[in-house]
Amino acid sequence: AQSVTQLGSHVSVSEGALVLLRCNYSSSVPPYLFWYVQYPNKGLQLLLKYTSAATLVKGINGFEAEFKKSETSFHLTKPSAHMSDAAEYFCAVRALQGAQKLVFGQGTRLTINP
Amino acid sequence: DGGITQSPKYLFRKEGQNVTLSCEQNLNHDAMYWYRQDPGQGLRLIYYSQIVNDFQKGDIAEGYSVSREKKESFPLTVTSAQKNPTAFYLCASSPSGGIGELFFGEGSRLTVL
Repeated sequence: AQSVTQLGSHVSVSEGALVLLRCNYSSSVPPYLFWYVQYPNKGLQLLLKYTSAATLVKGINGFEAEFKKSETSFHLTKPSAHMSDAAEYFCAVRALQGAQKLVFGQGTRLTINP
Repeated sequence: DGGITQSPKYLFRKEGQNVTLSCEQNLNHDAMYWYRQDPGQGLRLIYYSQIVNDFQKGDIAEGYSVSREKKESFPLTVTSAQKNPTAFYLCASSPSGGIGELFFGEGSRLTVL
């Protein structure tokens, strides 16, 4: 079975500062990993995905994430936060084999301080 | 434009009433999903369907029902048996044979009074 843990339900950073959102996964087989963003009262939008190719994955809006198998982590980063990055972020995992369904973490709400 | 349409966006119902949430997609995706979102609990899978006329229970299927008579449509009924139906409901789809990446609708917020 797969599971995802997002460390920190709320993260607050200043505009222009580094954004780091943490995600650790558990999977008995090599996983696919995803980061999604959600703005208030909206659906989820894909930021980036890891598909066992490059371990450093670049996504939209300047975000990137690094897959570290030894740490079972897939942390999301952005060098310089912008006010428009304020949203909720979800990490998700899916096993390479088995049912085609994603398991989501509990989410991290990112606040940007001016 | 291709996408997923959920309706209604907001819905208010009295306790004990069944309600049906609509989800339509024109992405030609085989798989469709319903998730429930509550504050601080992330997304929890209610039902999913990988092909027409077939669907499977997710982690929290009790009190919900679905049908998949057409590829484009996957309606969710919240029955009176669901103990705490007030939530934000998200429909998603994904192409078969892919990595499982989900494409989401805008959601439906159900409030039971």
